[in-house]
This record gives sequence, structure tokens and C-alpha cells, in this order.
Amino acid sequence: NAGVTQTPKFQVLKTGQSMTLQCAQDMNHNSMYWYRQDPGMGLRLIYYSASEGTTDKGEVPNGYNVSRLNKREFSLRLESAAPSQTSVYFCASKRPGQGYEQYFGPGTRLTVT
Amino acid sequence: AQRVTQPEKLLSVFKGAPVELKCNYSYSGSPELFWYVQYSRQRLQLLLRHISRESIKGFTADLNKGETSFHLKKPFAQEEDSAMYYCATKRSNDYKLSFGAGTTVTVRA
Repeated sequence: NAGVTQTPKFQVLKTGQSMTLQCAQDMNHNSMYWYRQDPGMGLRLIYYSASEGTTDKGEVPNGYNVSRLNKREFSLRLESAAPSQTSVYFCASKRPGQGYEQYFGPGTRLTVT
Repeated sequence: AQRVTQPEKLLSVFKGAPVELKCNYSYSGSPELFWYVQYSRQRLQLLLRHISRESIKGFTADLNKGETSFHLKKPFAQEEDSAMYYCATKRSNDYKLSFGAGTTVTVRA
């Protein structure tokens, strides 16, 4: 099993450009998440999907959209990138039930100039 | 809203010395608490969870509801413990984790 995979690993965008970060998991997990990691701020939840067909805003959703394409895939889209969105983005998934851990992808390092 | 506070951004200890990473949470219910770790060039991964009451890699963490704390401890730090550590919490019926800002631990030889 590959676990949680993310593409691309690195990306440089100019302000105003758009892009989609891809995430897929092969563990048959129901819940999927997108976080951003910034120095001194830890991981902040952008959006999550409790199950296929549902998505909800997290702590910092502004400037982002998501699509839960199917049970495996959960994509994050930046419609008009801004320098404030320079960050490392992590996707995670989790099996249903209490106490279960979230499994994280390797991250995407995004720089917006 | 839940909040997790990790007061130390950086923690440096010598090999063999005890290490304690502080974590305080603000939530009046019965939260679930976790410690996640990110080693250099590796993925963020679960280290331990309070409901398991386990010791992983020599680390333990005790939930103190009176002090709303979940500090992570290891009596004898090793160089391979150098990493970023995140405390996280969630409500029992919630899907979302709230993470602290993280503590970078450096264990010096």
C-alpha cells in the first residue's frame, strides 16, 4: 500500500495563478483532510471531508476550494494564488471511529511569488 | 473552539537527559489527545494517544484533566528523538484534529 500520496511535491506559482493539489489514499479511509503547515503556527486545517460526497470548512478555508472526487481522492484548489498561501500542504486520511490516527502524505511545498 | 498550546517552540537537551514537552488544551468536555511527530524528511506520524496509555519509543504522556495538560516525557533522550512534535486534540464525536504550534526538539551528543 502506498498510503497517502500527494502531487506535486514542489510548486512555484506567480500571484494570481491557479493550481490543484492532488491527494489520494489506498487505505479505504472515509475521512480526508487538507492542512497547511507554517512556522510558528503548526498545522491548520483548511478543509476536510468526513465521508465521500461531503466537504466542510476548517480553520483557514479562505482562498481554497476542495473536491472529494471519490472515496480515494481529495483535491485542493487555489483559484488565484497569493503570497500568503506560500506554505507546506499536507493531506491526511483516517478510518472511521474514535481514537484512530490520521495518516499523512509527504506534503507539497508551494511558493507563491 | 478547541485550542492547543505548546509553549516551547524549541527545546534542546543533551543525550541521556530527560525531556518534557508541554501541551495544554482548552476544552471542557472529554477530549481525545494525541502526540504526533515529524522526523527530518519523514511524514508526520502518530507517536501516541492518551486512550492507549502506552509508551512508545520510551515516551509517555499523561492526561491531567485538572490542569488540562498532556505533557510528553522521556527519561533519557536519544539523538534519534530529534524531531518536530505536535500535540493535537479532538472531541470524541468530531472528525477534526486541532494541532498546537509544535515544538522542535534537538538532542545533542
